Amino acid sequence: QQQVKQSPQSLIVQKGGISIINCAYENTAFDYFPWYQQFPGKGPALLIAIRPDVSEKKEGRFTISFNKSAKQFSLHIMDSQPGDSATYFCAAIDYKLSFGAGTTVTVRA
Amino acid sequence: EAQVTQNPRYLITVTGKKLTVTCSQNMNHEYMSWYRQDPGLGLRQIYYSMNVEVTDKGDVPEGYKVSRKEKRNFPLILESPSPNQTSLYFCASSSGTPWDTQYFGPGTRLTVL
Repeated sequence: QQQVKQSPQSLIVQKGGISIINCAYENTAFDYFPWYQQFPGKGPALLIAIRPDVSEKKEGRFTISFNKSAKQFSLHIMDSQPGDSATYFCAAIDYKLSFGAGTTVTVRA
Repeated sequence: EAQVTQNPRYLITVTGKKLTVTCSQNMNHEYMSWYRQDPGLGLRQIYYSMNVEVTDKGDVPEGYKVSRKEKRNFPLILESPSPNQTSLYFCASSSGTPWDTQYFGPGTRLTVL
């Protein structure tokens, strides 16, 4: 069973728009929440990560919002660019990594 | 260049024919792991290793074996592959723990007929 539920499965956004990907979990032992970005034909690479004692973390155009009480977290991609077109995975860690199913983001020029 | 390498990158085989997918990292990392990626399921961990001679099962270990005899290498062994093991496989490494940044290899596309 998927320990981290990710949605949507795919999304299309216009250049300059905002992409939002949501993840939810049940296991309260998770204590670290990274996001990985994967381009076609490549392995995933760490994009940004957050700890549950922080409600928001921003790195450039990428922001994680974290709601501990709701056990939800999300990735916002601001001013989306064609180069952001990729598959994004949320993950959660207790002593192992559990990944969401992934979201394929397509940014139209 | 710091990297994780996997070989082969593509493999087509038949049911029951033993195979090994190699993984090597040149970053002196202690933690290594194997994942399979399937559409709609994301990445699922098969096995992981905290250090030489220390391995443990992930979420989907059935049908797979691993060994960690050297720090840099972590081969994945399928002793009797079946069609449900057709998947995209990734090896990853990190400096010490699951909480550290995972560096993924380029992937191995395996097809079992």
